[in-house]
Amino acid sequence: EAAVTQSPRNKVTVTGGNVTLSCRQTNSHNYMYWYRQDTGHGLRLIHYSYGAGNLQIGDVPDGYKATRTTQEDFFLLLELASPSQTSLYFCASSDARGEVFFGKGTRLTVV
Amino acid sequence: KTQVEQSPQSLVVRQGENCVLQCNYSVTPDNHLRWFKQDTGKGLVSLTVLVDQKDKTSNGRYSATLDKDAKHSTLHITATLLDDTATYICVVGDRGSALGRLHFGAGTQLIVIP
Repeated sequence: EAAVTQSPRNKVTVTGGNVTLSCRQTNSHNYMYWYRQDTGHGLRLIHYSYGAGNLQIGDVPDGYKATRTTQEDFFLLLELASPSQTSLYFCASSDARGEVFFGKGTRLTVV
Repeated sequence: KTQVEQSPQSLVVRQGENCVLQCNYSVTPDNHLRWFKQDTGKGLVSLTVLVDQKDKTSNGRYSATLDKDAKHSTLHITATLLDDTATYICVVGDRGSALGRLHFGAGTQLIVIP
């Protein structure tokens, strides 16, 4: 079964703080994604990657950086966290056919 | 503008009852449509995928329809169980590969009560 593991599962930080969310997939998938989920909205794409060293901008990239260090690992960086970035973050990986597998999510609170 | 609209926003049913969730979309092209179940504190788990112009699928107590002409899909849950309590999310893919974009609805929150 496809596996996508996110860490941490919960994080609280202060405004202006520095946060890194981690994602690892063991599916040998080339494609990985970071989404945020907010009440009343569908999941929104922040950044995605086609492979190690590749980075593509999603639909809501402002305030976020990302880095794909290996095929397995995709990181989301918030260098100056703001309360508007309080959200539930999902990482996902996808096979070539487009079937997507999601992690369990990271709940980030910026106070 | 929201391209995938789900209704109702929330729904409460008694255990054993049937329910129907709706999804309307304006995504073009619409290669496929998936329904996901999202349990609290967990990720999204795929229930079914619909591909054809007029498609039907069945997966245990879950069945779904898709009409691409109407850009409309339904998810039927038969004989609901307490474990069906979750958010159900409709997702439209504009391609049949990982190069495509996924368009997410905001979800229908289903609560099943004893």
